[in-house]
Amino acid sequence: GDSVTQMEGPVTLSEEAFLTINCTYTATGYPSLFWYVQYPGEGLQLLLKATKADDKGSNKGFEATYRKETTSFHLEKGSVQVSDSAVYFCALSFSGGGADGLTFGKGTHLIIQP
Amino acid sequence: DAGVIQSPRHEVTEMGQEVTLRCKPISGHNSLFWYRQTMMRGLELLIYFNNNVPIDDSGMPEDRFSAKMPNASFSTLKIQPSEPRDSAVYFCASGRGGSNYGYTFGSGTRLTVV
Repeated sequence: GDSVTQMEGPVTLSEEAFLTINCTYTATGYPSLFWYVQYPGEGLQLLLKATKADDKGSNKGFEATYRKETTSFHLEKGSVQVSDSAVYFCALSFSGGGADGLTFGKGTHLIIQP
Repeated sequence: DAGVIQSPRHEVTEMGQEVTLRCKPISGHNSLFWYRQTMMRGLELLIYFNNNVPIDDSGMPEDRFSAKMPNASFSTLKIQPSEPRDSAVYFCASGRGGSNYGYTFGSGTRLTVV
């Protein structure tokens, strides 16, 4: 079945460091890809998305590029802030002409130290 | 826009009792999803509805779990009888159209079964 694999956490960085969180997927066909962020005690929020190969999603300084060749969707940010501390989830979905559920990775806990 | 509203935020119950979790999706959204989040298993899709009709309930762990969506503005997830291994955070999410738009999550219900 479809699956998403993320790098294990926690990932601890200093403020203003460069961030990469790796995400790879296994799926038959070409899904849409998403990054969600979860702050403590809250639900998941959509951070960015890409719906086809070579698309780049971006939001709040975060970026991720849909790489079909490597089945990857790595999340990057050039300079992280303490407020970026959260759990980040990579996910995929097939629209199939109607709404369907998201398949999530296990999540990566990011800790940014001042 | 009040977002996806879940109630209660926290629920503590004794093993064997019936538990009902509630969700009010965003007005105009025609898809609704129930997810369960645990440390061990991450985020799991339990069931989803399109236009109030259950589409895929293959993620429902066993017959003790049931979900209904009697109208476009309300859904319930019921566990009867509850067991300690059901302890988790349960999220409801809603969306409009295909998955390319992403989904909006509620803040979750933290269920503890003792």
